[in-house]
Amino acid sequence: NAGVTQTPKFQVLKTGQSMTLQCAQDMNHEYMSWYRQDPGMGLRLIHYSVGAGITDQGEVPNGYNVSRSTTEDFPLRLLSAAPSQTSVYFCASSSRHEKLFFGSGTQLSVL
Amino acid sequence: GENVEQHPSTLSVQEGDSAVIKCTYSDSASNYFPWYKQELGKGPQLIIDIRSNVGEKKDQRIAVTLNKTAKHFSLHITETQPEDSAVYFCAAFLSNAGNMLTFGGGTRLMVKP
Repeated sequence: NAGVTQTPKFQVLKTGQSMTLQCAQDMNHEYMSWYRQDPGMGLRLIHYSVGAGITDQGEVPNGYNVSRSTTEDFPLRLLSAAPSQTSVYFCASSSRHEKLFFGSGTQLSVL
Repeated sequence: GENVEQHPSTLSVQEGDSAVIKCTYSDSASNYFPWYKQELGKGPQLIIDIRSNVGEKKDQRIAVTLNKTAKHFSLHITETQPEDSAVYFCAAFLSNAGNMLTFGGGTRLMVKP
């Protein structure tokens, strides 16, 4: 049972480049979400989904897009990377809103 | 929306001592309060949680207390061990907001052998 799988683990981008962070879960969870982790600021919610075809914005959605075409996958797209998006990104899933299972994270640097 | 503050940001204790991490929340309608532990290079993992209808919950060496009137909750770790060294996050869930969890800023706990 793999749980929540995130790829890649590390990524370096130049300002203005686009990329997609992948997230997949094999627990048949309805809820999936993306957080970014910055020093001293905890985990901040970017976007979330309560089921296939349904997404909504979190606390810090600007510069990111998501889609949920299947229950298993919830990719996060950076449209035009900026240095302010340098962070560690975590994908999470749950069968309810509350008990989250996190992936191992993607460390992103934007130069 | 909800706002969660967590203190201290760093905590150093001797092995065997107790550690206490405190959080406050802003919205009295929040009804679920989990604690996550994040080890180096890994994602956070749920270690204990408490609901608003309970004042205290224990699981071996860890316990969580909730004071709804004061809107604060705390994590207590007794008989600390080096493997307890990690970053700990508190969070609050507001069920009527259509939102997910709001996290505190994290506490880096260092247990010295």
